[in-house]
Amino acid sequence: DSGVTQTPKHLITATGQRVTLRCSPRSGDLSVYWYQQSLDQGLQFLIQYYNGEERAKGNILERFSAQQFPDLHSELNLSSLELGDSALYFCASSVIGASGGTQETQYFGPGTRLLVL
Amino acid sequence: AQKVTQAQTEISVVEKEDVTLDCVYETRDTTYYLFWYKQPPSGELVFLIRRNSFDEQNEISGRYSWNFQKSTSSFNFTITASQVVDSAVYFCALRRNTGFQKLVFGTGTRLLVSP
Repeated sequence: DSGVTQTPKHLITATGQRVTLRCSPRSGDLSVYWYQQSLDQGLQFLIQYYNGEERAKGNILERFSAQQFPDLHSELNLSSLELGDSALYFCASSVIGASGGTQETQYFGPGTRLLVL
Repeated sequence: AQKVTQAQTEISVVEKEDVTLDCVYETRDTTYYLFWYKQPPSGELVFLIRRNSFDEQNEISGRYSWNFQKSTSSFNFTITASQVVDSAVYFCALRRNTGFQKLVFGTGTRLLVSP
């Protein structure tokens, strides 16, 4: 158990709908990362938040957005869903050290498996 | 740009065989971090090891060992005396040596260990 929790574990929805995925980082971790794992794209970085602020963006679609709340949990919002958005969505967290986080290891949650029908 | 290549898509072995998973990376950075993660059939990603680019010492942890060779840009993972529980997809990943950087993953190697 990595200490990172994600809910829900599974999500089935229809095209055009909107869903919210939730992540709670490990105790003490300030950074949260979102990744998407799909058959055709593999594991891709989506976005990172550090202590409530967006820090880095990857291959995240405009239909997707995220935020990190004061209690450090994060939510990934996916809207206008398409069949191709079906994937496993991972949240990871890490401790950012005083040096700026160069030695951080990202610990992953169990993932949310999204199926868009 | 950074890139990680895991050329072995799938490897099948019989229990107790040794197996090596290859990882080759590309980066222009002089310092960086390399990782291995395991994804068992249940789906979660489990951290196995982190290696700094300036530390080329090989590491052994039980039946697992890692061979890092900066000269060939490789970070290979060997499982000795494999067990059925080792069956999983294994990912190699690369991260820059500056804060707030994403992990760049390889495509993974599926290891099937049969009894």
